[in-house]
Amino acid sequence: AQSVSQHNHHVILSEAASLELGCNYSYGGTVNLFWYVQYPGQHLQLLLKYFSGDPLVKGIKGFEAEFIKSKFSFNLRKPSVQWSDTAEYFCAVNAYNAGNNRKLIWGLGTSLAVNP
Amino acid sequence: NAGVTQTPKFRVLKTGQSMTLLCAQDMNHEYMYWYRQDPGMGLRLIHYSVGEGTTAKGEVPDGYNVSRLKKQNFLLGLESAAPSQTSVYFCASSQWGTGTYEQYFGPGTRLTVT
Repeated sequence: AQSVSQHNHHVILSEAASLELGCNYSYGGTVNLFWYVQYPGQHLQLLLKYFSGDPLVKGIKGFEAEFIKSKFSFNLRKPSVQWSDTAEYFCAVNAYNAGNNRKLIWGLGTSLAVNP
Repeated sequence: NAGVTQTPKFRVLKTGQSMTLLCAQDMNHEYMYWYRQDPGMGLRLIHYSVGEGTTAKGEVPDGYNVSRLKKQNFLLGLESAAPSQTSVYFCASSQWGTGTYEQYFGPGTRLTVT
């Protein structure tokens, strides 16, 4: 079965530090990839997505992610975090032709705390 | 556009009581989903629907039922609530086949079962 793994469960950073959150998936076929963010007490919002083309995807609020097909990875990055980036971050994958292409497969999330 | 809305926002139930959570979307999306979110367990799919009149089981369907009588609404029912169903419930919708595959989420319903 397909799965998504987010290696960092809890990350604590100081403001201005750089961020990289790991996401790996287990599916060898065509994928669409997503990062969602959930600010405290709020619902999930889309940060960025990859469908095809340039593997470096830019999203909102200065976030970017790089799709590396050979590594089955889609890591999220931000060069300089702010206190307002404190949130939970979820990676999700749509695995084409895997029998579940109307659903997303979700990672367990990474909780990011940014200290001012 | 309101996007995806959920009612109620909060609810406290006693064990054995029943309730229905309503999700509505105004984006004309075909697909709708019910998730529950628990600490350390991420999002788990309860049921989903790929169109009006259809429903399908997700990964944690036991204890829940759903109905999609109208395209814009997706109802989640708990027939006999249990403390294990204390959770935050999110509804989402999406439109496949047009390149817009991302899911749009509602604000959530915080349910406590005592």
